[in-house]
Amino acid sequence: GDSVTQMEGPVTLSEEAFLTINCTYTATGYPSLFWYVQYPGEGLQLLLKATKADDKGSNKGFEATYRKETTSFHLEKGSVQVSDSAVYFCALSANNAGNMLTFGGGTRLMVKP
Amino acid sequence: DTEVTQTPKHLVMGMTNKKSLKCEQHMGHRAMYWYKQKAKKPPELMFVYSYEKLSINESVPSRFSPECPNSSLLNLHLHALQPEDSALYLCASSQQSMISTDTQYFGPGTRLTVL
Repeated sequence: GDSVTQMEGPVTLSEEAFLTINCTYTATGYPSLFWYVQYPGEGLQLLLKATKADDKGSNKGFEATYRKETTSFHLEKGSVQVSDSAVYFCALSANNAGNMLTFGGGTRLMVKP
Repeated sequence: DTEVTQTPKHLVMGMTNKKSLKCEQHMGHRAMYWYKQKAKKPPELMFVYSYEKLSINESVPSRFSPECPNSSLLNLHLHALQPEDSALYLCASSQQSMISTDTQYFGPGTRLTVL
């Protein structure tokens, strides 16, 4: 079946450091890929998405590129802020399953001043 | 506007109580979802409504009863819950339920505690 694997956290960085959170997936066909962010005590917010190979999603300084050859969708940001501290979920929706989301386990990011 | 609202924000209930969670969206979306999220885990799908009809029930116990009175509103009725049902309950909506490129938009959740 479909699956998403994320690097385990927590990831602890200093402010202005470079961020990478790895995400790889297994799916048949051509899934759509998503990054959601969950701030403490809140619901999930869509951060970015990509729906086909080589697409780059970007938002609020975060970027991720849909790499079909490596089945990856790694999240990057050039300079993190304390306000980026949250849990980040990578997810896919396979085109043979409607838009049912398969989530990775989540990665907690902690940014220190 | 991509807002999904949920009420109440917090709910504490005993095992014999009956309560309801409410979710609302005004984006014209025709698919709505209930998820359950335990601490430090990703959300788990419970129910999917498509065009106001229940299309997916992920083997959820009958003490959880969903209802979709209209295209903007989704309820989750709770009865005889167990302490292990304590969790964050998230509602989401999307344009359709059968298009993989559609984005699901989530509400802020209801934090449920069962005593």
